[in-house]
Amino acid sequence: NAGVTQTPKFQVLKTGQSMTLQCAQDMNHEYMSWYRQDPGMGLRLIHYSVGAGITDQGEVPNGYNVSRSTTEDFPLRLLSAAPSQTSVYFCASSLQWRTEAFFGQGTRLTVV
Amino acid sequence: GNSVTQMEGPVTLSEEAFLTINCTYTATGYPSLFWYVQYPGEGLQLLLKATKADDKGSNKGFEATYRKETTSFHLEKGSVQVSDSAVYFCALSPSSNTGKLIFGQGTTLQVKP
Repeated sequence: NAGVTQTPKFQVLKTGQSMTLQCAQDMNHEYMSWYRQDPGMGLRLIHYSVGAGITDQGEVPNGYNVSRSTTEDFPLRLLSAAPSQTSVYFCASSLQWRTEAFFGQGTRLTVV
Repeated sequence: GNSVTQMEGPVTLSEEAFLTINCTYTATGYPSLFWYVQYPGEGLQLLLKATKADDKGSNKGFEATYRKETTSFHLEKGSVQVSDSAVYFCALSPSSNTGKLIFGQGTTLQVKP
């Protein structure tokens, strides 16, 4: 059972480039979220989804897009990378609200 | 709005010492409360949770009690081990049906032999 799978694990981008961070879960979870982790700031919510076709903004959505065409996948798109987006990104899923969230291993992104 | 505040780290303890990591929260309604742990180079794992006032969550010797009167969810362990060295995050899930988590800033624990 793979759980939550994120790809890639590491990525270096140049300012202005675009890319998609992939997230897939095989637990049939309805709820999925993207967070970024920065030193001293904990994890901050970027976007979240309560089911296929439904997404909403979190605390720090600017510069990121998401879509949820299937229950399994929740990709995060960086439209035009900026150095301020250098961070570690985590995808998470949960079966229901208030239940345990399962996290991927993270993607370490550096924008130069 | 919803927020979580944790004690600042790093916390350095000797093996077998008593651990407390303070966590307080601000939320409307009745949130659920969680402690997650992150080992070096890994994602977060659920350590324990509590879904209503006066509930006690426990796992692997760690405990935390949901105190609505003091809006707190402090993490405790009676005797820490070197293997407990990690970053600990307090988090809340708001009353609304969204699956969102609001995290504190994390507390790094280092346990020395």
